[in-house]
Amino acid sequence: EAGVAQSPRYKIIEKRQSVAFWCNPISGHATLYWYQQILGQGPKLLIQFQNNGVVDDSQLPKDRFSAERLKGVDSTLKIQPAKLEDSAVYLCASSLRPLTGGEGEQFFGPGTRLTVL
Amino acid sequence: AQTVTQSQPEMSVQEAETVTLSCTYDTSESDYYLFWYKQPPSRQMILVIRQEAYKQQNATENRFSVNFQKAAKSFSLKISDSQLGDAAMYFCAYTTGEYGNKLVFGAGTILRVKS
Repeated sequence: EAGVAQSPRYKIIEKRQSVAFWCNPISGHATLYWYQQILGQGPKLLIQFQNNGVVDDSQLPKDRFSAERLKGVDSTLKIQPAKLEDSAVYLCASSLRPLTGGEGEQFFGPGTRLTVL
Repeated sequence: AQTVTQSQPEMSVQEAETVTLSCTYDTSESDYYLFWYKQPPSRQMILVIRQEAYKQQNATENRFSVNFQKAAKSFSLKISDSQLGDAAMYFCAYTTGEYGNKLVFGAGTILRVKS
């Protein structure tokens, strides 16, 4: 079974530029998550999709971050404009069901390391 | 506030020895799940072990076991017969949210394994 795919793996941009990350979840997984992992910290949930609807985006900085999941499969996370403090690894995860216990185990992608100069 | 505290930023263990990573958490919910995730340098997070809060029996997964103390909100991970491949960052996490859909992570513990 193929895992969660993410691209690009690395991205370096200047502050105030825009950037987009792409995620392809495991086939059949209805729930998709985007996390931000700042160096030295654990991942923090930015947004959760159930199919193509948003379940939780309470920690997404909506003035600069946006995300969409078209057709309930692939997802993109965009930052516009980027700030220095956005430097982090952006992880995508997917699960069969919304619950994180039992069958709702989250499977993570390799992440995208973003550096904002 | 929902928090997870991993008080050991870094731990070292000799190959074949046993090491315990500590974790405490703070939640007002009575039903939740607890997890230990491993993140090697390649960055792919891998689930190591999970514990359901309503189960008193400690979870075990081969060389990995937990010591779950619900009243103390403590969830430590024991790795027996440590191997070089166990070297990674380990994160403790628990579920929260209306559907138990959100994971709250600790800051992690770097585990180094010496040969």
